[in-house]
Amino acid sequence: EDQVTQSPEALRLQEGESSSLNCSYTVSGLRGLFWYRQDPGKGPEFLFTLYSAGEEKEKERLKATLTKKESFLHITAPKPEDSATYLCAVQARGSQGNLIFGKGTKLSVKP
Amino acid sequence: SQTIHQWPATLVQPVGSPLSLECTVEGTSNPNLYWYRQAAGRGLQLLFYSVGIGQISSEVPQNLSASRPQDRQFILSSKKLLLSDSGFYLCAWSVLGNTQYFGPGTRLTVL
Repeated sequence: EDQVTQSPEALRLQEGESSSLNCSYTVSGLRGLFWYRQDPGKGPEFLFTLYSAGEEKEKERLKATLTKKESFLHITAPKPEDSATYLCAVQARGSQGNLIFGKGTKLSVKP
Repeated sequence: SQTIHQWPATLVQPVGSPLSLECTVEGTSNPNLYWYRQAAGRGLQLLFYSVGIGQISSEVPQNLSASRPQDRQFILSSKKLLLSDSGFYLCAWSVLGNTQYFGPGTRLTVL
């Protein structure tokens, strides 16, 4: 069964304190792995798509990496505005694009 | 550029009442369309997806249904709501099943 597990469930950081969020997955043939950011009461906002092990993508203070079993979202020198829930999802080969989501990591960055 | 709309933004309905949520996409043709539900403490759960007008696939058996009367319109319906139907409903679109982009969501409370 295709599955996504995110850890930790919640993470509290001080402003400027770098850290990483983990997304472990099992899927019958990975078509893509996706990271989204979700603010309270809003729809998820797309961040990155990763397709193959070894791939990395960056956007401002965020960097996503991918191995054959997991993905990391590295946050460098976070700011309070980075506070949100970060969602990871996988898409299996042969699907019509259906995503399987993890439960997310709620990140709080204190000034 | 592409935009996705959902309405209403919030809805409070009594048990046993009907439901109709609407999603429309602008700026793209023949998108794949998706309905997800996000319940407290759970990840996003795919409910329905559509690859074209009149083509609906159901992922989870329930008392909800979906329809796609036009290329860029996706409707989620129920004849009789249950308490368990409460949640945050999200519509998403993609091109050829690739990266999905989400709408702002509808918060449904069934009393």
